[in-house]
Amino acid sequence: GIQVEQSPPDLILQEGANSTLRCNFSDSVNNLQWFHQNPWGQLINLFYIPSGTKQNGRLSATTVATERYSLLYISSSQTTDSGVYFCAVERGGGFKTIFGAGTRLFVKA
Amino acid sequence: KAGVTQTPRYLIKTRGQQVTLSCSPISGHRSVSWYQQTPGQGLQFLFEYFSETQRNKGNFPGRFSGRQFSNSRSEMNVSTLELGDSALYLCASSLVTGVNEQYFGPGTRLTVT
Repeated sequence: GIQVEQSPPDLILQEGANSTLRCNFSDSVNNLQWFHQNPWGQLINLFYIPSGTKQNGRLSATTVATERYSLLYISSSQTTDSGVYFCAVERGGGFKTIFGAGTRLFVKA
Repeated sequence: KAGVTQTPRYLIKTRGQQVTLSCSPISGHRSVSWYQQTPGQGLQFLFEYFSETQRNKGNFPGRFSGRQFSNSRSEMNVSTLELGDSALYLCASSLVTGVNEQYFGPGTRLTVT
């Protein structure tokens, strides 16, 4: 099955700093989503981005499907950005969704 | 529009018991997927239901089962609970099966003692 690798596994930032999180996948996919899991366990949708670039406020994401990776950019980080960021991919056609192991982000005030 | 709801939010059970978790999808969504999250294994796909039919299944033992009702609400059942079943169980809904955006509920945290 598809392998999904996220990097870095852990990240500590000072408030106001920028960061880039990466998601590599081992096979072609039809769907890719980025989620933020808050301390209470809720997975919050950030981007549905099987290809191309999207922006939402301080967050943006780019997926280069032909090269099998996606990037999540966080600018001017805030303490509320802390949590775990997951990417999840799906091939469609009856294949299950595969999650990466996540990037744990801590933003210091 | 209301989001995905899951009940109960927290549950404590004893080894050998069985448990049933419930998930109500976003109105109009017909696909429901279940995931197990543990510190050791991360987020793992359990199964997906669409139009009351199981469309896909992950690599879990037969103790884990589910069903979907005509109103798209879904339940999952775990029989003969083991300590290793302690986890956060997450439900996600999407409009249809296949390739489309999933929306997650708040989860049910199950503790098996």
